[in-house]
Amino acid sequence: NAGVTQTPKFRVLKTGQSMTLLCAQDMNHEYMYWYRQDPGMGLRLIHYSVGEGTTAKGEVPDGYNVSRLKKQNFLLGLESAAPSQTSVYFCASSTGLAEGSDTQYFGPGTRLTVL
Amino acid sequence: KNEVEQSPQNLTAQEGEFITINCSYSVGISALHWLQQHPGGGIVSLFMLSSGKKKHGRLIATINIQEKHSSLHITASHPRDSAVYICAVASNYQLIWGAGTKLIIKP
Repeated sequence: NAGVTQTPKFRVLKTGQSMTLLCAQDMNHEYMYWYRQDPGMGLRLIHYSVGEGTTAKGEVPDGYNVSRLKKQNFLLGLESAAPSQTSVYFCASSTGLAEGSDTQYFGPGTRLTVL
Repeated sequence: KNEVEQSPQNLTAQEGEFITINCSYSVGISALHWLQQHPGGGIVSLFMLSSGKKKHGRLIATINIQEKHSSLHITASHPRDSAVYICAVASNYQLIWGAGTKLIIKP
């Protein structure tokens, strides 16, 4: 099993450009999450999904959109990138059986720089 | 004030030393997680606990629900233990994350 994979691993954007980050998991997990990690701060939840076709806002959703058309994929979109979105983005998944109490499995991260 | 506080923020120790990383929280929780983030960036779950103590190899995690405090201990530390250790608490179906403790073990 590949676990949780993310593409791309690195990306540099100019302000105003758009892009989509792809997260895929092969563990048949119901829950999927997108986080951003900035220096000196804990992980912050951007959006999450509790099942195929459903999404919800996390702590810092502004400037991002998500879609979960297939159970195994969770896409994070930036419609008009801003320098404040320079960060490392992590995707994670979990069974969802214990809602917050179950183990989350993380992807390797995507390092995004917005110039 | 952050709901999850870790201490210390940074810790440098010599190989073989006993390491303790602390996590205090201010909310009611259903579980507490300890995770490890390697220098390459990958994040791996180490423990999930809601009471008592868990041990895996040289790692030991304890939690005191009454005092709202958890500790992660590493015995016989090794340079390969160098990483950021992250505490997260499950509260109201969400995870609240600490900022992490950066541990460096020198040979």
